[in-house]
Amino acid sequence: GAVVSQHPSRVICKSGTSVKIECRSLDFQATTMFWYRQFPKKSLMLMATSNEGSKATYEQGVEKDKFLINHASLTLSTLTVTSAHPEDSSFYICSASPGTENSPLHFGNGTRLTVT
Amino acid sequence: QKEVEQDPGPLSVPEGAIVSLNCTYSNSAFQYFMWYRQYSRKGPELLMYTYSSGNKEDGRFTAQVDKSSKYISLFIRDSQPSDSATYLCAMTGGSYIPTFGRGTSLIVHP
Repeated sequence: GAVVSQHPSRVICKSGTSVKIECRSLDFQATTMFWYRQFPKKSLMLMATSNEGSKATYEQGVEKDKFLINHASLTLSTLTVTSAHPEDSSFYICSASPGTENSPLHFGNGTRLTVT
Repeated sequence: QKEVEQDPGPLSVPEGAIVSLNCTYSNSAFQYFMWYRQYSRKGPELLMYTYSSGNKEDGRFTAQVDKSSKYISLFIRDSQPSDSATYLCAMTGGSYIPTFGRGTSLIVHP
């Protein structure tokens, strides 16, 4: 149980275009999902908390107009990287918890974004 | 001082060895402790989740928590090459959002 599916696993796009990444909880409902970014050989950096039916909460230093988050249902959150630049190239991972605040997070398999 | 300290390694061991991975933390509010395994270019996979001090065993994996010392460990018995990955510790004090260590890279060579 507690499966989080993320799509696509890999995407290459040109500078200036936008890319949408989907995160789905397959066997549970998640009012809250989380988006992380990970640089090579570095730990996870929380970007934002996605709340179903309301605005996302962004961490300090994360541009909310560049990283648009939509959490339209209890099983789906999307991250759109707008007007992508090469410095946005990274590994993006979503996560969700099926339980209470003390339940562990379960992660998707990540999306490798390359902006050329 | 970071809230969670974890040696990035790499830690290289021969197949069959017992592996010990560790994290220390400074925030006494942390009460829930997790270990994740992350293969290259994949998302982290939850391995162990513990609440109290003491040991928790699951197959070849044992998680140990010592709250008095603010020290947690993950032991892997009979390590296999397929255990080669990055192991992340994480902990939380009652929030959805855990604090992660930077991960330890483990290499198990045949």
